[in-house]
Amino acid sequence: RKEVEQDPGPFNVPEGATVAFNCTYSNSASQSFFWYRQDCRKEPKLLMSVYSSGNEDGRFTAQLNRASQYISLLIRDSKLSDSATYLCAVISGSARQLTFGSGTQLTVLP
Amino acid sequence: DVKVTQSSRYLVKRTGEKVFLECVQDMDHENMFWYRQDPGLGLRLIYFSYDVKMKEKGDIPEGYSVSREKKERFSLILESASTNQTSMYLCASSFFGSSYNEQFFGPGTRLTVL
Repeated sequence: RKEVEQDPGPFNVPEGATVAFNCTYSNSASQSFFWYRQDCRKEPKLLMSVYSSGNEDGRFTAQLNRASQYISLLIRDSKLSDSATYLCAVISGSARQLTFGSGTQLTVLP
Repeated sequence: DVKVTQSSRYLVKRTGEKVFLECVQDMDHENMFWYRQDPGLGLRLIYFSYDVKMKEKGDIPEGYSVSREKKERFSLILESASTNQTSMYLCASSFFGSSYNEQFFGPGTRLTVL
């Protein structure tokens, strides 16, 4: 079983739609969680850190469910510019390296 | 703005050649990382470094080595390139300390080994 798993998609949604992605992790001792965004042929960039209490940044909401070992990303009122691959990433143990999921591809259609 | 630069965007090498990929960051970050990214497999950590002259193996170190002689520079070396090392290579850096520290990525080097 992969340490961090995501549905690869693709998710094709109309502009204005709400879309949600989940990411499961296998190590129950994982302590830090992130969502990165990667545009086509570009490097990943941090979208949001995910805090235990959940956090919101404009149209984006990230949540953590420790009991079920998953994190989620909700995008409301999707824009064409939201089209990208969304990568979840997890830090486990005392090490400082991230383990990434393979990414979920989102295309927002006009 | 944090800047992480990589020496080449595209590189074509032949099997058996020695390949050097260079990464430089200008934010005085302690941590530096090398990943490769392949379709369906996501980013996989090759090596990382917490300090000058220090290195740690990641998940897939076989066939690679690294060098960190200066804080701002982290090099990835393919001693004898093979076709299965054709991939996108991404360098990243971050501050030491809090596990919430963001990793900043370079633009990537797309390496093709013929």
